[in-house]
Amino acid sequence: QSALTQPASVSGSPGQSITISCTGTSGDVGGYNYVSWYQQHPGKVPKLLIYDVDNRPSGVSNRFSGSKSANTASLTISGLQAEDETDYYCSSYTSSDTWVFGGGTKLTVL
Amino acid sequence: EVQLVESGGGLVQPGRSLRLSCAASGFTFNDYAMHWVRQVPGKGLEWVSGINWNSRNIASVDSVKGRFTISRDNAKNSLYLQVNSLRPEDTAFYYCVKGISGYYYYGMDVWGQGTTVTVSS
Repeated sequence: QSALTQPASVSGSPGQSITISCTGTSGDVGGYNYVSWYQQHPGKVPKLLIYDVDNRPSGVSNRFSGSKSANTASLTISGLQAEDETDYYCSSYTSSDTWVFGGGTKLTVL
Repeated sequence: EVQLVESGGGLVQPGRSLRLSCAASGFTFNDYAMHWVRQVPGKGLEWVSGINWNSRNIASVDSVKGRFTISRDNAKNSLYLQVNSLRPEDTAFYYCVKGISGYYYYGMDVWGQGTTVTVSS
């Protein structure tokens, strides 16, 4: 049950788009469409951004979108804003009947 | 509004036990799976355990199997985590998290504020 692989950090300028990758295996990301993304500001609880690969809960901005190709899921944030600067985590259901998270990515808005 | 309020954390010696509780409100508790997720301050998230709406299916991460037990009482709108044989590496913030549907493989949406477990002699 190894953690999913995310880049430690990404950065972008206001108004730009960035993509955060989340790489797993055929036993997790590649094998199921149960991939979620969370945003966590310092000292706050995680907030669900995307579930089932590309579904947005009500109330989440349409600037956030998800996708998946083979064993890699991606979170794209368009129209980058200063408030987007924080940590992002992916997660996936696995063939071991468990959930696994990525190590987290820190987004810096330049 | 969905609310999840954890309790039961604290400072405990290695090898001892705790029972974490989560009081749920604002949704039909017995329609949804529930999870426990932990986080070492400043570090990443680790899924600990999940339970289906009817308690018939339960799963846990390997590192806690045989030591942690998740359970729920739908009549009391409550989720529990019995944590035994605690180790220093179990020190973390423990979150109660609502499932997206009745089955834990559908993922998690709303998170509680968490309760701190510190294992130290």
